[in-house]
Amino acid sequence: NAGVMQNPRHLVRRRGQEARLRCSPMKGHSHVYWYRQLPEEGLKFMVYLQKENIIDESGMPKERFSAEFPKEGPSILRIQQVVRGDSAAYFCASSPVVGAVLGKTEAFFGQGTRLTVV
Amino acid sequence: SQQGEEDPQALSIQEGENATMNCSYKTSINNLQWYRQNSGRGLVHLILIRSNEREKHSGRLRVTLDTSKKSSSLLITASRAADTASYFCATETQTGANNLFFGTGTRLTVIP
Repeated sequence: NAGVMQNPRHLVRRRGQEARLRCSPMKGHSHVYWYRQLPEEGLKFMVYLQKENIIDESGMPKERFSAEFPKEGPSILRIQQVVRGDSAAYFCASSPVVGAVLGKTEAFFGQGTRLTVV
Repeated sequence: SQQGEEDPQALSIQEGENATMNCSYKTSINNLQWYRQNSGRGLVHLILIRSNEREKHSGRLRVTLDTSKKSSSLLITASRAADTASYFCATETQTGANNLFFGTGTRLTVIP
């Protein structure tokens, strides 16, 4: 069972370009989370998605950022018109169940995509 | 903010010593998890402790949870150079949002 796959691992974009980050959850997982990690900092929650639904996007900037998790295919985190401050590592995690219901949620993380805006 | 806070921010010990890291949080949780992150890599889940548990062991790891103080500790015994990494605690709240809130991490360096 392959782990959470993120691609690309490294992405360089010029200011004003668009960045698309992909995340394929583990097989059987229908919950996907995106986190951003700035240098020397912890992870900050951005968005939580289930298939075809955004459940919680409270951590995502209102402008330029969007996320989707279609019925088929990977979850996509899209950043339009990137700026230098978007440079960070973006991690995706997946889990199979709703933690509060079953009391157990282990999130499996991908290796991350390191976005550099030049 | 629900985000946990780890203490200390950085810890440097000799190989063979024990390392203790602490985590405090603010609101009621469903469970608390510890993750390790090697430099430039993704996160690896280490251990999960539920809110009704007080202590849990996994190999050289020992985690305690005190819900009355809203704090947890991670103890790594007989540390090895390979334990050098950043360690994060993450809390899952009871709201059912199924989200993890991470602290800022403790950077552990184990000197061979």
